[in-house]
Amino acid sequence: AAGVIQSPRHLIKEKRETATLKCYPIPRHDTVYWYQQGPGQDPQFLISFYEKMQSDKGSIPDRFSAQQFSDYHSELNMSSLELGDSALYFCASSNTRDRDGYTFGSGTRLTVV
Amino acid sequence: QQPVQSPQAVILREGEDAVINCSSSKALYSVHWYRQKHGEAPVFLMILLKGGEQKGHEKISASFNEKKQQSSLYLTASQLSYSGTYFCGTDTGNQFYFGTGTSLTVIP
Repeated sequence: AAGVIQSPRHLIKEKRETATLKCYPIPRHDTVYWYQQGPGQDPQFLISFYEKMQSDKGSIPDRFSAQQFSDYHSELNMSSLELGDSALYFCASSNTRDRDGYTFGSGTRLTVV
Repeated sequence: QQPVQSPQAVILREGEDAVINCSSSKALYSVHWYRQKHGEAPVFLMILLKGGEQKGHEKISASFNEKKQQSSLYLTASQLSYSGTYFCGTDTGNQFYFGTGTSLTVIP
């Protein structure tokens, strides 16, 4: 079965650089979520999209932005990177009509040096 | 707004049972349960919906007390593969929050 695909798996950036993370949700899933997880912490919700429209916003810094495209893939854009942005970034998708749980991608490990 | 889980950590021997609790201060539409192994993505285990519907893993059971805004995850006859961090996730209808997490270690 198709899963949530995230790319890249690993990314190393320097401070003040920009990064773009990509997420390809499961086909037919109408909602995409982005989470940030620091070492030893629980996943923190950043932002979500329902049918390509932003549906909810969590603790996403102003330096970050995200969008969902016509093919339902989503991108998280991160600018002016800081050391504290180093974390695992997960994308998840779900089908709200099925009322199932979220399916997570394998994550992108971002390291800011 | 983040749901609180208890215990924070538990160590079991293979075959023993465990209960993980999740408590929210907000009225809930549904409760999710996920297991995450170190460095990996959370994996969906179960969803419990307001009104009693449940969907999820055959070998794991859970309860949802809508009035108390609490849920419990029951792990019976634990296996080594059950080790990981368990998160509840609470859906208020407007927002979704992961719980504080419970680290579960199963030893031989």
